Amino acid sequence: EAGVVQSPRYKIIEKKQPVAFWCNPISGHNTLYWYLQNLGQGPELLIRYENEEAVDDSQLPKDRFSAERLKGVDSTLKIQPAELGDSAVYLCASSPRDGPSSYNEQFFGPGTRLTVL
Amino acid sequence: AQRVTQPEKLLSVFKGAPVELKCNYSYSGSPELFWYVQYSRQRLQLLLRHISRESIKGFTADLNKGETSFHLKKPFAQEEDSAMYYCALKDSGAGSYQLTFGKGTKLSVIP
Repeated sequence: EAGVVQSPRYKIIEKKQPVAFWCNPISGHNTLYWYLQNLGQGPELLIRYENEEAVDDSQLPKDRFSAERLKGVDSTLKIQPAELGDSAVYLCASSPRDGPSSYNEQFFGPGTRLTVL
Repeated sequence: AQRVTQPEKLLSVFKGAPVELKCNYSYSGSPELFWYVQYSRQRLQLLLRHISRESIKGFTADLNKGETSFHLKKPFAQEEDSAMYYCALKDSGAGSYQLTFGKGTKLSVIP
């Protein structure tokens, strides 16, 4: 089992350019998360999907960020246009379906390190 | 709003010495607390959760609601414990999924 797969692992772009990150969750995991991790900080949730539905995108900056999970499996996070402050690590995680009184462990991918010049 | 505070950015201890990584939280509801760990060149992974009351790799953590703390402890540090440790909080209520992470503490175990 490869775990959560993310690509690319590293990306360097100039400001104002678009960029996209891809995530393939663990097979069978209904829930997919995108996190942003700035240097020296813990991960912060951007968006959560249950299958193909974005059920929590309240912290996604919608003016420049977008995400999709069209078939409820893999997902893409896009930034257009990128700004200098977007330099960070973008983490994807997945978990089996959460129950109302249980916690299903979130499994993280290796992350994509974005550098905006 | 929920908040997790890890007051130490870096903690250095000698091998064999006790370790305590501090975590304090702010939350008005009933929280679930977790410790995540990231070893060098590896991905973030769950270490332990308070509801399991388990010991993983010799680490334990007790939820103290009076002090709103969830400190991670190990009696004898090993070199392989060197890593980045994150405390995280989740609302235990139905329909809640968001994890709030602290800024992390880097543990360095000196041989």
